[in-house]
Amino acid sequence: DIQLTQSPSFLSASVGDRVTITCRASQGISSYLAWYQQKPGKAPKLLIYAASTLQSGVPSRFSGSGSGTEFTLTISSLQPEDFATYYCQQLNYYALTFGGGTKVEIK
Amino acid sequence: EVQLVESGGGLVQPGGSLRLSCAASGFTFSDHYMEWVRQAPGKGLEWVGRSRNKTRSYTTEYAASVKGRFTISRDDSKNSLYLQMNSLKTEDTAVYYCTRSFYVNTVFYSDSWGQGTLVTVSS
Repeated sequence: DIQLTQSPSFLSASVGDRVTITCRASQGISSYLAWYQQKPGKAPKLLIYAASTLQSGVPSRFSGSGSGTEFTLTISSLQPEDFATYYCQQLNYYALTFGGGTKVEIK
Repeated sequence: EVQLVESGGGLVQPGGSLRLSCAASGFTFSDHYMEWVRQAPGKGLEWVGRSRNKTRSYTTEYAASVKGRFTISRDDSKNSLYLQMNSLKTEDTAVYYCTRSFYVNTVFYSDSWGQGTLVTVSS
């Protein structure tokens, strides 16, 4: 299976900060990567697909980039509602694996 | 509005069976691939499996951890997806989510998720 390694696994940030989360794949997955946001007790929400395409209704402060084995999710100016856990998922190979998650907490 | 409502979770003993259901509404269910994803308490997300649509002969894919024990099926006439879980293990304890997938450039992404149903495997 493709392994996805997210870093950091935890980060503490302030409202207004620029935040970057990295997802590294154990082998190339082209641009077949999605990013999800999950808040406690809630289902995940799709933010980005195809590595860099913003899902409809998602604020433009979220952006994604990368291809091959290295990907990033950037939040340009962190808002109070962005404190959550973020997951990447690769869609290139079965099994469709997820990264371990990055928890973003308030500093 | 897309809605996915899972049901059927509960407490089951190791070695037992359980069948989860996912009732879909607000979209043309028969057109879509559907997935099951689970999340153990306090842990990350794990993809369980996929059901392709009629065009792809309702074929399925599974994670290695559940292959041979879990079976995904669907009934397009009832807009429903199912997950039959047999030979359950304690490590199958998780919230199980049903998701709808959409097609972009040769792959399918999960854009809508249900609220999840909790399965607890314990003696």
